[in-house]
Amino acid sequence: ETGVTQSPTHLIKTRGQQVTLRCSSQSGHNTVSWYQQALGQGPQFIFQYYREEENGRGNFPPRFSGLQFPNYSSELNVNALELDDSALYLCASSLMGVLNTEAFFGQGTRLTVV
Amino acid sequence: KQEVTQIPAALSVPEGENLVLNCSFTDSAIYNLQWFRQDPGKGLTSLLLIQSSQREQTSGRLNASLDKSSGRSTLYIAASQPGDSATYLCAVFKAAGNKLTFGGGTRVLVKP
Repeated sequence: ETGVTQSPTHLIKTRGQQVTLRCSSQSGHNTVSWYQQALGQGPQFIFQYYREEENGRGNFPPRFSGLQFPNYSSELNVNALELDDSALYLCASSLMGVLNTEAFFGQGTRLTVV
Repeated sequence: KQEVTQIPAALSVPEGENLVLNCSFTDSAIYNLQWFRQDPGKGLTSLLLIQSSQREQTSGRLNASLDKSSGRSTLYIAASQPGDSATYLCAVFKAAGNKLTFGGGTRVLVKP
């Protein structure tokens, strides 16, 4: 089991609402990445945070935003929720500066938008 | 743009048979390739990481090979067990974009 923890594990929201998902990275890791996984598909990269700044972003609209805190934990915020935002959201931690760093994932947050 | 493909999408084998899972990627300029296991509705468990300079990596019954020039990796699972039933995902990492690019996964069922 990895040291990456995500909360909550499940969430149901109404279209148009806002949601915040949380992730605590593995001890010793300084980088957090977020992925969205639709049912039956591979995860898609949303963005990465390193030293409290966004350090790479995938093809997601600005209503997907994030934060990283001094203890390297992170939040993913999604505004104006749409039905298509229903997915499993995965957080991964790794160590920037180590060329072949291994990414470790949390158990995910299942978001359902109704 | 990096694309990762896993074929087949699903696989069913009897217990004891060896599993062979394939992963192909279009851009060979990768730093590493990682294989993951995912149980239904759960997160990803890292199985093996192969660095771009390596040809293979082994852990217990698992062996993964990497042929960077042809853009292929293969995960072998020896003597499969019902507990190996899960979805297996491969992902490649490039420095550009600081992200993992995933395949769609292979869903494996090992029948007792």
